[in-house]
Amino acid sequence: EAGVAQSPRYKIIEKRQSVAFWCNPISGHATLYWYQQILGQGPKLLIQFQNNGVVDDSQLPKDRFSAERLKGVDSTLKIQPAKLEDSAVYLCASSKGSVEFFGPGTRLTVL
Amino acid sequence: AQKITQTQPGMFVQEKEAVTLDCTYDTSDQSYGLFWYKQPSSGEMIFLIYQGSYDEQNATEGRYSLNFQKARKSANLVISASQLGDSAMYFCAMREGWPGGYNKLIFGAGTRLAVHP
Repeated sequence: EAGVAQSPRYKIIEKRQSVAFWCNPISGHATLYWYQQILGQGPKLLIQFQNNGVVDDSQLPKDRFSAERLKGVDSTLKIQPAKLEDSAVYLCASSKGSVEFFGPGTRLTVL
Repeated sequence: AQKITQTQPGMFVQEKEAVTLDCTYDTSDQSYGLFWYKQPSSGEMIFLIYQGSYDEQNATEGRYSLNFQKARKSANLVISASQLGDSAMYFCAMREGWPGGYNKLIFGAGTRLAVHP
């Protein structure tokens, strides 16, 4: 069974630019999550989808971050415009039951 | 409010020995799940083991076991027979309203484990 796929793996941008990350969950997993992991900290949930509906986006900075999962499968997370403090690893995870399985992450550096 | 505390920023262990990584949690919920993940330097979070709050037996998965002490609100991870490949960050996490429900997973700050030959 293929795991959670994410791309790109690394991205370097300048502040005020925009960036998008892509995630393809494990086949059959209805729940998809985006996490932000700042260096030296544990992951923090940004947004959670159940199929193509949003379950929790309470910690998503909606003035600059957006996410969608239009067909209930893959998802994109966008940052526009990026700030220096957005430098982090962005992890996508999916679940069918109660255990989340994570992708390899995208390491974003904002200069 | 739910909270996970991992008090050991870093741990060292000799290869083939056992090591315990500490995790304490705080919740007012009666139903919750506790999880451990491993994060190697490559960055991917690897699921290791989980324990439900109503599970009477401590969870085990190969060389990993979870020492669950409900009254003390602790869920320590025990790794037996450490291997060099166990060197990584280890995160404890909790989800309230588990199993089922859509509550988010809350992570601790992590413990960095270094296994020495």
